[in-house]
Amino acid sequence: AQKVTQAQTEISVVEKEDVTLDCVYETRDTTYYLFWYKQPPSGELVFLIRRNSFDEQNEISGRYSWNFQKSTSSFNFTITASQVVDSAVYFCALSEAETSYDKVIFGPGTSLSVIP
Amino acid sequence: NAGVTQTPKFQVLKTGQSMTLQCAQDMNHEYMSWYRQDPGMGLRLIHYSVGAGITDQGEVPNGYNVSRSTTEDFPLRLLSAAPSQTSVYFCASRTGQGLNEKLFFGSGTQLSVL
Repeated sequence: AQKVTQAQTEISVVEKEDVTLDCVYETRDTTYYLFWYKQPPSGELVFLIRRNSFDEQNEISGRYSWNFQKSTSSFNFTITASQVVDSAVYFCALSEAETSYDKVIFGPGTSLSVIP
Repeated sequence: NAGVTQTPKFQVLKTGQSMTLQCAQDMNHEYMSWYRQDPGMGLRLIHYSVGAGITDQGEVPNGYNVSRSTTEDFPLRLLSAAPSQTSVYFCASRTGQGLNEKLFFGSGTQLSVL
């Protein structure tokens, strides 16, 4: 069965520090998709990135970067030079193409606090 | 476009009462789903639908019913509310074109069952 683990429940960093949010997933499928979503204090859920299982290239978007490693079943998210506006709950999610088609399963989330 | 609209935003129920959480999307998305969010548990999938007339269970379906009579609407019904159903509920939709498509979320419904 598909499963997403985010071992870090809460993280606090001082502004301008770099921070990495961990995501470990479990799946038996060879085709699957991984996502990161952000939930700021206002409560809405905002899509950040998606990655399919055939693309292990890392990605950088401004201060955000993602490290996808199939060998360790991890899809980690790094924020460089963190800002107060990055304070939010971040969710990693997984959807499988074969075993559980159409189910998008989320991890428990990591609450990030950036202190000015 | 309004996107995904959920109503109500807040609701207080007494144990045993019934109610329906409404969800509508105007993006012609085939896929719609309901999640509940609880502290430390993340978002857990309740039910989902891949098109009108088709629904299926997610991770935590007990105590909830759904139906999908139109592409636009996907209501979530609580037939006999219990305190364990106190949670924040999110409706989400996406196109049916691919599993790699992102989900669009509603703004959530905060439900308290006393």
